Amino acid sequence: DQQVKQNSPSLSVQEGRISILNCDYTNSMFDYFLWYKKYPAEGPTFLISISSIKDKNEDGRFTVFLNKSAKHLSLHIVPSQPGDSAVYFCAASPLSGNTPLVFGKGTRLSVIA
Amino acid sequence: GAVVSQHPSRVICKSGTSVKIECRSLDFQATTMFWYRQFPKQSLMLMATSNEGSKATYEQGVEKDKFLINHASLTLSTLTVASAHPEDSSFYICSARATGSRGNEQFFGPGTRLTVL
Repeated sequence: DQQVKQNSPSLSVQEGRISILNCDYTNSMFDYFLWYKKYPAEGPTFLISISSIKDKNEDGRFTVFLNKSAKHLSLHIVPSQPGDSAVYFCAASPLSGNTPLVFGKGTRLSVIA
Repeated sequence: GAVVSQHPSRVICKSGTSVKIECRSLDFQATTMFWYRQFPKQSLMLMATSNEGSKATYEQGVEKDKFLINHASLTLSTLTVASAHPEDSSFYICSARATGSRGNEQFFGPGTRLTVL
């Protein structure tokens, strides 16, 4: 049973436009959510996170929105740049405890110049 | 952010060889390290969780006698693929959680590409 779902395996966006990556989760114990960016043959790098006490967190061009009632979060990148082309993984876990993150399958973003 | 290194970055070996991959947290202490593997175009699959000074906890379907994990210090965990076979070829990634870290953020190493001939 997939607890974290990224239903879009790929997304193409024009440079300068907004990229919206979506993520859904099923485990109501999750209250900490992260987005990671991954280039081929490299480890994931942390991008942005949000805890369930907030519904929005912004860092430069990256904003994560959390809709707890819908168990849905999204990552907005604006404006999109060619260097943003990568695979983006959504991850979730309970805030406390020492459990590993649960990852979605990733969405491959291609930003076209 | 915190830095995690992995060594080697790439290894090619013959079938039957044992391969050791090191994961180090460079500027922080990690009580917990995680080992993942990633197949092409697929998500990160958690293999095991290792806590410093204790035995690793393996995920269902991961052979503990095949994938030996040692977490001897707060900055080093090793994964040994015993008697590697071609089906073990994959991209192995470790991650570390800092001692007393806020939330459950994990910092990832750059990964090790294992190719077994």
